Amino acid sequence: GAVVSQHPSRVICKSGTSVKIECRSLDFQATTMFWYRQFPKQSLMLMATSNEGSKATYEQGVEKDKFLINHASLTLSTLTVTSAHPEDSSFYICSARERQGRTFEQFFGPGTRLTVL
Amino acid sequence: GQNIDQPTEMTATEGAIVQINCTYQTSGFNGLFWYQQHAGEAPTFLSYNVLDGLEEKGRFSSFLSRSKGYSYLLLKELQMKDSASYLCAVRYSGAGSYQLTFGKGTKLSVIP
Repeated sequence: GAVVSQHPSRVICKSGTSVKIECRSLDFQATTMFWYRQFPKQSLMLMATSNEGSKATYEQGVEKDKFLINHASLTLSTLTVTSAHPEDSSFYICSARERQGRTFEQFFGPGTRLTVL
Repeated sequence: GQNIDQPTEMTATEGAIVQINCTYQTSGFNGLFWYQQHAGEAPTFLSYNVLDGLEEKGRFSSFLSRSKGYSYLLLKELQMKDSASYLCAVRYSGAGSYQLTFGKGTKLSVIP
């Protein structure tokens, strides 16, 4: 159980286009989803926290108008990178939280590798 | 803010034991996680500590000392497939919810 999927796994796009990444919790309801970005040889950096039915909370330095997050249901959150530029090329990972035992464990999706040409 | 330190790289021999240390400074501490991440893949959960002491799970054990802001991940009977990055992550209370901050990861290379 507790599987998180992401789609697409890889995407290559031209500079200036927008890209949408979907994150789904397949067998549990995720009231909170997180979006992370990871550059090569760097750790995961939290971009935003998304609660179902409310606006996402963005981390400092993350442009909310550029990275649009929609958490429309308890099993789906989307991240749209608008007007993508080469510096947005990165590995984007979503995570969903489920209460398990004595902790709210986070489960990670497989990630989406975005390459902007 | 949150600050997490762990060694950048480590090398160990197959069959041996390796300890990966993590020190942290944070307010509103609410638990420490260890994740394993293979290159190009998402992290997978290894362990969770919120109270002081040792948590054992098969070949993997994790220790926490909250007063010292210190944790370690112990891997026994190393296998080649254990070559990966190991991420220490601290959960803290912030912005009305729990947040998870990751260290930069320790790249472990297991050699024959």
